[in-house]
Amino acid sequence: DTGVSQDPRHKITKRGQNVTFRCDPISEHNRLYWYRQTLGQGPEFLTYFQNEAQLEKSRLLSDRFSAERPKGSFSTLEIQRTEQGDSAMYLCASSFPGEPQHFGDGTRLSIL
Amino acid sequence: AQSVTQPDIHITVSEGASLELRCNYSYGATPYLFWYVQSPGQGLQLLLKYFSGDTLVQGIKGFEAEFKRSQSSFNLRKPSVHWSDAAEYFCAVQGPGNQFYFGTGTSLTVIP
Repeated sequence: DTGVSQDPRHKITKRGQNVTFRCDPISEHNRLYWYRQTLGQGPEFLTYFQNEAQLEKSRLLSDRFSAERPKGSFSTLEIQRTEQGDSAMYLCASSFPGEPQHFGDGTRLSIL
Repeated sequence: AQSVTQPDIHITVSEGASLELRCNYSYGATPYLFWYVQSPGQGLQLLLKYFSGDTLVQGIKGFEAEFKRSQSSFNLRKPSVHWSDAAEYFCAVQGPGNQFYFGTGTSLTVIP
């Protein structure tokens, strides 16, 4: 068990650029979650997968955001045409059904 | 709708003193409740969870929490705080779709 791994740890980009983050869950965890955390706030749910199926998406997940988990293992979160308001920490978590979620260390996105 | 309130944004305690962090939740059914801790630049680490049964739950690092349905509360306690406990603490309730709803967090400072 190597824990949830997220890459990169920090991403700096210019407004309008596209960015993609990767999350490798704990192996065998079939549920994978994405959250966004802004300064001074708790994490806010974005979306979650069970295996490769995306089962729920938050209203926070605008059409500029897309998440995939093509083989039911790792997941990617892409943000297109980034905006200043997208600056945040993006957290990934994984779990078995009914079990607590295990979080990665996050990807911090800074928009210039 | 599910929600979590952590009324204390920041708490300062002396090392060796006792600690209580407050958490109130809103949820229509029997809640699954969690406390997580987050150090700067890190992801969230699970301290303890409540699913059912005994309303006093023990966690890691000497923490415990008590579920009080009548007060819709799940307060976190520790009898003697250590300097290494300084961090951000988040209470969360699990929603019907298994996503977590987090409070805004309580920042703990420990004075030597």
